[in-house]
Amino acid sequence: GDSVTQMEGPVTLSEEAFLTINCTYTATGYPSLFWYVQYPGEGLQLLLKATKADDKGSNKGFEATYRKETTSFHLEKGSVQVSDSAVYFCACGGTSYGKLTFGQGTILTVHP
Amino acid sequence: DAGVTQSPTHLIKTRGQHVTLRCSPISGHKSVSWYQQVLGQGPQFIFQYYEKEERGRGNFPDRFSARQFPNYSSELNVNALLLGDSALYLCASLKGFDTGELFFGEGSRLTVL
Repeated sequence: GDSVTQMEGPVTLSEEAFLTINCTYTATGYPSLFWYVQYPGEGLQLLLKATKADDKGSNKGFEATYRKETTSFHLEKGSVQVSDSAVYFCACGGTSYGKLTFGQGTILTVHP
Repeated sequence: DAGVTQSPTHLIKTRGQHVTLRCSPISGHKSVSWYQQVLGQGPQFIFQYYEKEERGRGNFPDRFSARQFPNYSSELNVNALLLGDSALYLCASLKGFDTGELFFGEGSRLTVL
């Protein structure tokens, strides 16, 4: 079956630092790739997605590029803010988008 | 519009008991999926329902069952609870298979003692 591996956390950064959270996947066919974010006390929210190779998803200053050759979908942000502190989940899914395979999550803490 | 709503938000059960969790999707969304999130891990897929039919099932024992009603709301049932069933149970609704975006509720936190 599908699997997703995220870099282990937690990740602690100072405000305005550069963020990278690595994500690699194993899947049959050509899955869509997602990053979800879970802020403290809230549910999971879609942050960005990419549906085919070389697509770049972006939202709120975050970006990730679908790299089929390396089966990766790394999350990046050029300058993090304290409000970005949350748990970030990488996920992949096929044609039936109700079924996603999630990574274990990466806790990000940003200090002022 | 209201988001995905789940009830109850928290509950405590003892081993061997039964639990029913409820979910109302966003208005107009016809697909509901259930996930189990154990503390410190990512959500794991349990079921997907679309138009009241089961469309997918994850690697969970038969103690787990679900159904979807004509108004697209859904129930997740777990029988013969085990300590390992303690988790956050998430419901997600999907507007259509072309969008790929799941909208999650805040979950039902189940503790089994």
